[in-house]
Amino acid sequence: NAGVTQTPKFRVLKTGQSMTLLCAQDMNHEYMYWYRQDPGMGLRLIHYSVGEGTTAKGEVPDGYNVSRLKKQNFLLGLESAAPSQTSVYFCASRYRVGGISHEQYFGPGTRLTVT
Amino acid sequence: AQSVTQLGSHVSVSEGALVLLRCNYSSSVPPYLFWYVQYPNQGLQLLLKYTSAATLVKGINGFEAEFKKSETSFHLTKPSAHMSDAAEYFCAVSDPNTGTASKLTFGTGTRLQVTL
Repeated sequence: NAGVTQTPKFRVLKTGQSMTLLCAQDMNHEYMYWYRQDPGMGLRLIHYSVGEGTTAKGEVPDGYNVSRLKKQNFLLGLESAAPSQTSVYFCASRYRVGGISHEQYFGPGTRLTVT
Repeated sequence: AQSVTQLGSHVSVSEGALVLLRCNYSSSVPPYLFWYVQYPNQGLQLLLKYTSAATLVKGINGFEAEFKKSETSFHLTKPSAHMSDAAEYFCAVSDPNTGTASKLTFGTGTRLQVTL
């Protein structure tokens, strides 16, 4: 199993450009999450999904959109990139069955720079 | 709202010395608690978790943590540091009352440096 994979690994955007980050998991997890990691701030939740076709806002959703058309994929979109969105983005997934004690499994991250 | 405080953004220990990384949480109900490790340029990997069973939790790579309700703490320890332990460590809390989405709130992280 590949676990959680993220595409691309690195990207440089100019202000105002758009892009989509792809997260894929092959563990049949119901729940998926997008986080951003900034120095000294830990990880902050952007959006999450509790199942195919559903999405919800997290702590810092402004400037981002998401879609979960297939259970195994969770897409994060930036419609008009801003320098404040320069960050490392992590995707995570988790089982639903068995209660909420199950940990989240993380992808390797996407390093995005907006100039 | 739940929150996590990690005291010390950088901790340096000698190889073979005790590792102690501090985590205090704030939650209105008994939480679930996690420690994750992040090696350079990698994603987060679970070290251990507390889910209301035993208060002393053992994890991978010789790490353990003790849940102390009275102190609202979940400090991470390892008796003898190894060079390979150098990484960033994150404490996270999940409030069981936030529903099945089980959103995690992370601390700001502690970077562990291990010196010879």
